[in-house]
Amino acid sequence: NAGVTQTPKFQVLKTGQSMTLQCAQDMNHNSMYWYRQDPGMGLRLIYYSASEGTTDKGEVPNGYNVSRLNKREFSLRLESAAPSQTSVYFCASTGGQGNTGELFFGEGSRLTVL
Amino acid sequence: GQQVMQIPQYQHVQEGEDFTTYCNSSTTLSNIQWYKQRPGGHPVFLIQLVKSGEVKKQKRLTFQFGEAKKNSSLHITATQTTDVGTYFCAGPTRSARQLTFGSGTQLTVLP
Repeated sequence: NAGVTQTPKFQVLKTGQSMTLQCAQDMNHNSMYWYRQDPGMGLRLIYYSASEGTTDKGEVPNGYNVSRLNKREFSLRLESAAPSQTSVYFCASTGGQGNTGELFFGEGSRLTVL
Repeated sequence: GQQVMQIPQYQHVQEGEDFTTYCNSSTTLSNIQWYKQRPGGHPVFLIQLVKSGEVKKQKRLTFQFGEAKKNSSLHITATQTTDVGTYFCAGPTRSARQLTFGSGTQLTVLP
């Protein structure tokens, strides 16, 4: 049982390059999330999707776009990467109503922007 | 907006000592969740508390939810090296559609 799968696990970009982080879950969950984690700042929500076909901004959405491709997949795109976007990105999903359910996290994608 | 604050940010303990991390919310929470993240790993759900004054135990871990549902604590008795990691609390926003995470407490256990 794979749970939440993220790709790639590591990526190095130059300033201005674009890339997409992929996330897929096999638990038939409705809600999916993208967080970034920086030292000393915990997990900050970038975007979330409460159900297939909907997406909403979180706490730190600037510089990112998302696509809820289907119920399984939720991708995060950086159109023009900046050094401030160097971080560890986690995708998560839950089958509960909104936030009341346990979040299942992927293993993370470590992004460095030079 | 809603804030969830956690203290301390770092804690070093000798193996066998107890450890406590505290979580405080600027608003009343309908529930609170706790997660553990091992070094280099991803957050893993530990528990959810829902009721005012609720206390739950998992082996050496004791979780409490305050009477006013604005604070919570995690206490570990007789720490072991396997307890090393960062512990996060998380509470729902008013819209109840997302979680706000505390900044975490990083626990180091010295053998």
